[in-house]
Amino acid sequence: GQQLNQSPQSMFIQEGEDVSMNCTSSSIFNTWLWYKQEPGEGPVLLIALYKAGELTSNGRLTAQFGITRKDSFLNISASIPSDVGIYFCADLSGTYKYIFGTGTRLKVLA
Amino acid sequence: DAGVTQSPTHLIKTRGQQVTLRCSPKSGHDTVSWYQQALGQGPQFIFQYYEEEERQRGNFPDRFSGHQFPNYSSELNVNALLLGDSALYLCASSPYSGRKNIQYFGAGTRLSVL
Repeated sequence: GQQLNQSPQSMFIQEGEDVSMNCTSSSIFNTWLWYKQEPGEGPVLLIALYKAGELTSNGRLTAQFGITRKDSFLNISASIPSDVGIYFCADLSGTYKYIFGTGTRLKVLA
Repeated sequence: DAGVTQSPTHLIKTRGQQVTLRCSPKSGHDTVSWYQQALGQGPQFIFQYYEEEERQRGNFPDRFSGHQFPNYSSELNVNALLLGDSALYLCASSPYSGRKNIQYFGAGTRLSVL
């Protein structure tokens, strides 16, 4: 099925470091959503972006909707062990369904 | 306020069997979507139910069917199970009139087909 491309695929970082990941698409999107999924759980919404250029923060997380509307990035500042998980970008394709990215797996070393 | 709840949490079936998964949406939500998440992949949209009808469907065969009840809860049925149906099945709910139809996910049902 159709998916968005995320990079990097996985990251191992030291606690306290900043993290940056991005998501790209060949199509123009109207919405960018960032979700986090921990083992044994469903995805949890972190940040929602609705217009090109929008920059939104949620605590230590910051995400931006790219000007071209074909990309988005998510930054995590001063990472902590509980940031471990898989981060997915998603677009609300049309009205009804989400298209998910391939995911970035984050591991934080204490 | 209970979130999206799914049952069972884990399930083991053999090839050719049929399975039913259940989902109760978050309070105040009337729309339910189902996703399949294979190991190491992002979730893939199966279908969405609103007003007890299937509103849109992803690229899944007719072996996958669903139902929505008057209380907005939903079931996902899979017939003639294949090994490749082994996955985490996620239910998501959203309010029809909510902003941009943001979907909230349950913890999923892990289905293993042997």
